[in-house]
Amino acid sequence: QVTLKESGPALVKPTQTLTLTCTFSGFSLGTSGMRVSWIRQPPGEAPEWLARIAWDDAKYYSTSLKTRLTISKDTSKNQVVLTMTNMDPVDTATYYCARSPNDTPFDYWGQGTLVTVSS
Amino acid sequence: DIVMTQSPDSLAVSLGERATINCKSSQSVLYSSNNKNYLTWYQQKPGQPPKVLIYWASARESGVPDRFSGSGSGTDFTLTISSLQAEDVAVYYCLQYYTTPYTFGQGTKLEI
Repeated sequence: QVTLKESGPALVKPTQTLTLTCTFSGFSLGTSGMRVSWIRQPPGEAPEWLARIAWDDAKYYSTSLKTRLTISKDTSKNQVVLTMTNMDPVDTATYYCARSPNDTPFDYWGQGTLVTVSS
Repeated sequence: DIVMTQSPDSLAVSLGERATINCKSSQSVLYSSNNKNYLTWYQQKPGQPPKVLIYWASARESGVPDRFSGSGSGTDFTLTISSLQAEDVAVYYCLQYYTTPYTFGQGTKLEI
């Protein structure tokens, strides 16, 4: 059974750095072709893909956010971590992690974690 | 970045009638080496993450009712619900996974 769960602070202040952890089970990021992405969704808006990390540690980032994002993995712990620097109120959103095996789209998602940026 | 544009933004359809949602990409998402379109349709209900309905533009995900179908190739795609049910009220998104950065359409809100 595949599950993913996001964890991190519900509230961050402007200019702070956000660190989110995706803890998953039912698959391994050590498996060839496996990938995990972070996706966010501001209230009432469409999802926005942020970053992806693959089994071979290849990393890709959103064009507009790449200077603020870092994605990493701990295969032994079944975790993927996303850090986003210099948080702003416009970054208020539900943040999801999702897996994508091989060349397939996001098939399993976490339930998401709402992050509010406010002083 | 590939821009995904959906139409319409919102749609009201009577129960039992057909619903059609369109998605256009700013460049082709057809991968010539395997002849697959890297286009997915998602359904999202309030408070839930998106759920895969259709992948490779026309392949129905396991467990998805056969009233949902996808078509199109290259840059133009369509999601069709053949006979709308009450539980189909949701927001529908297309996603291209042809290349990073992956990009979603802006969404189509489907109502009864």
